[in-house]
Amino acid sequence: GENVEQHPSTLSVQEGDSAVIKCTYSDSASNYFPWYKQELGKGPQLIIDIRSNVGEKKDQRIAVTLNKTAKHFSLHITETQPEDSAVYFCAARASGGSYIPTFGRGTSLIVHP
Amino acid sequence: NAGVMQNPRHLVRRRGQEARLRCSPMKGHSHVYWYRQLPEEGLKFMVYLQKENIIDESGMPKERFSAEFPKEGPSILRIQQVVRGDSAAYFCASSSGTVPDYGYTFGSGTRLTVV
Repeated sequence: GENVEQHPSTLSVQEGDSAVIKCTYSDSASNYFPWYKQELGKGPQLIIDIRSNVGEKKDQRIAVTLNKTAKHFSLHITETQPEDSAVYFCAARASGGSYIPTFGRGTSLIVHP
Repeated sequence: NAGVMQNPRHLVRRRGQEARLRCSPMKGHSHVYWYRQLPEEGLKFMVYLQKENIIDESGMPKERFSAEFPKEGPSILRIQQVVRGDSAAYFCASSSGTVPDYGYTFGSGTRLTVV
């Protein structure tokens, strides 16, 4: 099955800095890569996703890049704000079966004012 | 349009008791997924259900755990004879179709504590 590795586990930045979270996946046939943000006491919320026919996608301060050859994808947050502080999860969709995404272990992002 | 509703938000059970976790999907969603989140760990898939059918239960422990999604009413995750290791946050997600054409929407979770 799919295996997703996520780094770093904790990321601390100053407000206004950029933050980058990286994930690698094992199944070369995976074709859908969502990112979720989980605030304390809440469920994960989808913030951006990318499909394998696209190399980069942007939504305001958030961008995701995908390198299919290297089997890794990254989340980039620019001009970080304290409200960006949360746990971020990457995921990769399995290539077959019931198409259940596999999640990384999460990155705790702390943005210091 | 309410999101995915999970209840209870917090559940405390003594070892050996049963825990029942409920999930009402978003209106119009017929696919339900259950995930478990242990402290400092990611989301682990447990089971995927459609109305009256279990589609994929590859992540469910073989014993004590069961799930259903009846024709009427919420999806239920049932844990019998709970043990301390069952303490975790359990999240339910729903979608209107098979990912990735349709995204997941997660509920706020049920935090189970076994004492």
